Amino acid sequence: EADIYQTPRYLVIGTGKKITLECSQTMGHDKMYWYQQDPGMELHLIHYSYGVNSTEKGDLSSESTVSRIRTEHFPLTLESARPSHTSQYLCASSEYIPDRNNEQFFGPGTRLTVL
Amino acid sequence: GIQVEQSPPDLILQEGANSTLRCNFSDSVNNLQWFHQNPWGQLINLFYIPSGTKQNGRLSATTVATERYSLLYISSSQTTDSGVYFCAVSRGNYGGSQGNLIFGKGTKLSVKP
Repeated sequence: EADIYQTPRYLVIGTGKKITLECSQTMGHDKMYWYQQDPGMELHLIHYSYGVNSTEKGDLSSESTVSRIRTEHFPLTLESARPSHTSQYLCASSEYIPDRNNEQFFGPGTRLTVL
Repeated sequence: GIQVEQSPPDLILQEGANSTLRCNFSDSVNNLQWFHQNPWGQLINLFYIPSGTKQNGRLSATTVATERYSLLYISSSQTTDSGVYFCAVSRGNYGGSQGNLIFGKGTKLSVKP
């Protein structure tokens, strides 16, 4: 079944630790996205990718980094977690073909708490 | 960039009531999506509706692209409809950041039994 997977779903970690949030999709999509969402607030785009070896920064500045070595995989890394990174992180994907349906689909999200 | 405004910000309904949520956007768009965020934080796709009208069970949506607004209708609301409803738009799937979704602040819906 075509889907988007994120692991872990919940993560509580201490300040200064390096973390990687995983995102994989079996939708066959080229374009992938990472959003950050604070409780009760709107989503903000922090990273996106058009395909393998493509990464772009989104509208909201983030200290995280991303990589796209495989089409289906788009991990997000924080080298040194801080309490200000506490948030929910949502991964999404869509097709990338001009003039075609580019509906985005979302994974279940990762709730990150940095103590 | 495009501005997206949703109204009302909060809505409390009694089970069985109907409601209309509104999304206004400031520029022409090629993509408009409605999502429901459940209490566990997951975003569920409701409609991909850059124009026209669609229906899915008790939910329906209408987008009038020329007047830059979209409406989401919920009929016979149930407690499971509670959560936050987001509208998001983009200018289509072209090069650069134009294809990226811009989200409104959402409408928080609470349905009481």
